[in-house]
Amino acid sequence: QITLKESGPTLVKPTQTLTLTCTFSGFSLSTGPVAVAWIRQPPGRALEWLALIFWDDDERYSPSLKSRLSITKDASKNQVVLTMTNMDPVDTATYYCAHSGGLAVWFGSWGQGALVAVSS
Amino acid sequence: EIVMTQSPAALSVSPGERVTLSCRASQTISSKLAWYQQKPGQAPRVLIYGASTRAASLPARFSGSGSGTEFTLTISSLQSEDFAVYYCQQYDSWPMTFGQGTRVEIK
Repeated sequence: QITLKESGPTLVKPTQTLTLTCTFSGFSLSTGPVAVAWIRQPPGRALEWLALIFWDDDERYSPSLKSRLSITKDASKNQVVLTMTNMDPVDTATYYCAHSGGLAVWFGSWGQGALVAVSS
Repeated sequence: EIVMTQSPAALSVSPGERVTLSCRASQTISSKLAWYQQKPGQAPRVLIYGASTRAASLPARFSGSGSGTEFTLTISSLQSEDFAVYYCQQYDSWPMTFGQGTRVEIK
């Protein structure tokens, strides 16, 4: 059974850097094909894909946010970390990590989500 | 970037009715489309991938069809637990993109 769980701050101030950790079980990010992505959802709005990392360290980013994002993995700890710089109130959202089991990147398993508010 | 357009934005349906949701891609994506269901306070869950392949344990009342730029999610007989928001996602090219969602409400 695949499980994922997001952790990190619930509140950050504008201009600060957000660091979120996805801790997973039930699969290995050392052997492919597999990927873990970050997807966010502002309150009452649609899903927005942010970043993804493959088992082979290939990284992909949303072009509109690429300059602010970094995704890394620690396969030995079963963790994926997302860093987003220069946070703004419009970045207030629930942040999800999700698992994709192949090169066809759809998401069969999701974490419960972590609500992050950006406010001074 | 491929834009995914879902229609309608919302619809009111009575239990037992047939529901058809549409998703249009701004350029061809072959069959690289997934559908997700999201209930309030929950994470999305995948229903369909490859445009028409049902996820494990998904009831047969859900079906997906289409290829290229036009896709459909059909619920043959809506059950009370199906009232939710439905999203499509293309994974043909980067960046992957989601539609804006269709809310299915109780009539």
